[in-house]
Amino acid sequence: NAGVTQTPKFQVLKTGQSMTLQCAQDMNHNSMYWYRQDPGMGLRLIYYSASEGTTDKGEVPNGYNVSRLNKREFSLRLESAAPSQTSVYFCASSDGTLYEQYFGPGTRLTVT
Amino acid sequence: RKEVEQDPGPFNVPEGATVAFNCTYSNSASQSFFWYRQDCRKEPKLLMSVYSSGNEDGRFTAQLNRASQYISLLIRDSKLSDSATYLCVVNHGTYKYIFGTGTRLKVLA
Repeated sequence: NAGVTQTPKFQVLKTGQSMTLQCAQDMNHNSMYWYRQDPGMGLRLIYYSASEGTTDKGEVPNGYNVSRLNKREFSLRLESAAPSQTSVYFCASSDGTLYEQYFGPGTRLTVT
Repeated sequence: RKEVEQDPGPFNVPEGATVAFNCTYSNSASQSFFWYRQDCRKEPKLLMSVYSSGNEDGRFTAQLNRASQYISLLIRDSKLSDSATYLCVVNHGTYKYIFGTGTRLKVLA
């Protein structure tokens, strides 16, 4: 089992460019999440999907959109990247019983 | 006040030592508690869930004190490979997970 996979691992964008971060899980989890991690701060929730077909905003959703493509895949889109979106982005999934989250390897994004 | 607070450290301990970290949380309605380990430039990895009765996994012991609203992690016989940042995570029973900023541990040879 691969667990949670993310692509790409690294990305450099210019201000105003767009991109989509991909995430997939093979653990048959219903819930999936997108977080960002910045120095000196805990992980902050951008968006989550409680189950296939639903998405909801988290703590810091501005500037992002998401798509829950199917049970396995949850993508994060930056429509017009800004330097403030320079961060490490983690995707996670969880089951609905133990609430244990499992994380992908992350995407390091730099916006210049 | 942050919802989840951890001492950032670093805790520098010699190999073989016992070290303990605490994490305090402010929401008394919190339902699930976890310790994650994060290595430099890597993803958080689940170390253990923390149950009301406390739980142990090898050299690691986690405890929950609801009355004082803190959880703890004890590491016995520290190894060099235990060097990492330890994240405290609290869940409110929904999809809201609150992450601490982590406690950095360095185990010295």
